[in-house]
Amino acid sequence: DGGITQSPKYLFRKEGQNVTLSCEQNLNHDAMYWYRQDPGQGLRLIYYSQIVNDFQKGDIAEGYSVSREKKESFPLTVTSAQKNPTAFYLCASSDGPGTGELFFGEGSRLTVL
Amino acid sequence: GENVEQHPSTLSVQEGDSAVIKCTYSDSASNYFPWYKQELGKRPQLIIDIRSNVGEKKDQRIAVTLNKTAKHFSLHITETQPEDSAVYFCAAGVTGGGNKLTFGTGTQLKVEL
Repeated sequence: DGGITQSPKYLFRKEGQNVTLSCEQNLNHDAMYWYRQDPGQGLRLIYYSQIVNDFQKGDIAEGYSVSREKKESFPLTVTSAQKNPTAFYLCASSDGPGTGELFFGEGSRLTVL
Repeated sequence: GENVEQHPSTLSVQEGDSAVIKCTYSDSASNYFPWYKQELGKRPQLIIDIRSNVGEKKDQRIAVTLNKTAKHFSLHITETQPEDSAVYFCAAGVTGGGNKLTFGTGTQLKVEL
């Protein structure tokens, strides 16, 4: 069954701790994305990757880091430098530039206590 | 960069009525305009999209119109049903450029019986 899997679904962390969110896809898509969703602010792009071993900053990259060592995987690390990390995080993939459609995971809700 | 504004933020209609959601964008280079629907607790899913070489596109009860001169596009839902209740996001971007989309802030549509 093809799709995008995010884990964990819910995560609680103390302030000052780094946390890594997992995103795996078996759609054979080249491009992957991380979005942050906050109430009333829509979806804001954190990082995106068009190909393995390459990624670019989105609109709100500060305090986040990513890696793209494998085509199927695009983990996001929320570092202690992110001032307001509590949010809902969505991973997505697409079949490369020009296709358009984003396929989203079910999201990870991070709460920093 | 691109800036997308979406209105209204909430919309309540009676079942069977029509609903219209409007978006404006700022970057004249944008040529791809998708609409995503996010039901409560679920992932966003593409419902319709339009490219800049057409002015209107229909899919059953859903239609999208685009006015490139005025830089605005709209989603029209006719004969609304309770299952249309969800948050709708518009987005704008340039295909072939990493599929980097900028999303609007969302519209909460409620269809009342």
